[in-house]
Amino acid sequence: AQSVTQLDSHVSVSEGTPVLLRCNYSSSYSPSLFWYVQHPNKGLQLLLKYTSAATLVKGINGFEAEFKKSETSFHLTKPSAHMSDAAEYFCVVSDRSGGGADGLTFGKGTHLIIQP
Amino acid sequence: DAMVIQNPRYQVTQFGKPVTLSCSQTLNHNVMYWYQQKSSQAPKLLFHYYDKDFNNEADTPDNFQSRRPNTSFCFLDIRSPGLGDAAMYLCATSRRGSTNNEQFFGPGTRLTVL
Repeated sequence: AQSVTQLDSHVSVSEGTPVLLRCNYSSSYSPSLFWYVQHPNKGLQLLLKYTSAATLVKGINGFEAEFKKSETSFHLTKPSAHMSDAAEYFCVVSDRSGGGADGLTFGKGTHLIIQP
Repeated sequence: DAMVIQNPRYQVTQFGKPVTLSCSQTLNHNVMYWYQQKSSQAPKLLFHYYDKDFNNEADTPDNFQSRRPNTSFCFLDIRSPGLGDAAMYLCATSRRGSTNNEQFFGPGTRLTVL
């Protein structure tokens, strides 16, 4: 079984300051991990993914995440927040043991607020 | 560009009146998914097709059905919508056999039930 815990339901930062969105996971197998972003009334856009290659993963729009197996974490960071980053962020895990046809397991989401 | 398309983007229906949501893809992926996302919640998987094989989640109500007439199209049918079915419905695709089960999402259809 797999699960995802996003530790903060809301995060508020000032424009130009660093962003940290926290995510912990559990998985019985070697997981794939994703961060998706969702702007209001939009679909989900993939920010980045971890698939057992490099543990530091770089994504779009300046975001990156580090896979830490010992801590079962996959926190999302960005050095400098932009107003356009305001959105809902989902940490997602996929258990690859099933061959990849099953649905993803979503965290409950973190709402990122950017203060001007 | 290869993509996942959902139509319509906004759908209004009446309580109890059947409604169909549409999803198409140009990615030639063999798996298609339907998720329900209620306000301020994470997406919840309803069911998925692997080619023509239908896989229903255990807690998906019978009121929700799906059809996949070919690789490119997948439909979500709600036979008798209730007020509680108002939500965003997201279609996604993936390629079985890929190493990471990355899913590609459409823009969603927001369903309103009056």
